[in-house]
Amino acid sequence: ETGVTQTPRHLVMGMTNKKSLKCEQHLGHNAMYWYKQSAKKPLELMFVYNFKEQTENNSVPSRFSPECPNSSHLFLHLHTLQPEDSALYLCASSQVVGAESSYEQYFGPGTRLTVT
Amino acid sequence: GENVEQHPSTLSVQEGDSAVIKCTYSDSASNYFPWYKQELGKGPQLIIDIRSNVGEKKDQRIAVTLNKTAKHFSLHITETQPEDSAVYFCAASNNTPLVFGKGTRLSVIA
Repeated sequence: ETGVTQTPRHLVMGMTNKKSLKCEQHLGHNAMYWYKQSAKKPLELMFVYNFKEQTENNSVPSRFSPECPNSSHLFLHLHTLQPEDSALYLCASSQVVGAESSYEQYFGPGTRLTVT
Repeated sequence: GENVEQHPSTLSVQEGDSAVIKCTYSDSASNYFPWYKQELGKGPQLIIDIRSNVGEKKDQRIAVTLNKTAKHFSLHITETQPEDSAVYFCAASNNTPLVFGKGTRLSVIA
């Protein structure tokens, strides 16, 4: 266990559904991340939150909407997804100190999303 | 921005042999280089990392070497075991979010 949990572990949804992915970290970190992992592609960074503030949004379509209510929880709200959005969605956390990060990122187990 | 290339994409070794995975990076200012292991059905797990002020780091059977001049770093696994079979990712960072390589699928054949 890395101290980062994700629920659900598996999700099947239709293109018209609305669902949310949840991530929780128990490491006392102040930065959290969403990544998308598709077959035969590098890990794609989607969103970064430092101290609950979104600092990066890597041109992610608006059908993905992140929410970070506190430094321990991160959500990814999904609506009107496309089949190509099917992937493993990974959450990670790390500790940011001043202008630098330790960058020891710890990942959760991921949510396997299938869009039908 | 940073670009990380990782080779090979697949690697098969006999149990007990060594495995080497190599990565190159483009941003000479990058200063942090972690390696992750991802087993089936799990998220990536940090196994070793190195910072730019060090040339080599070891932890039991795994080691990482860094050549800043050539902008490449490598993961070395000695005395491989079947449980080393997984996908390995390298990454690089310059006080920015990590940029990952595409991964290497390592198979250790018993």
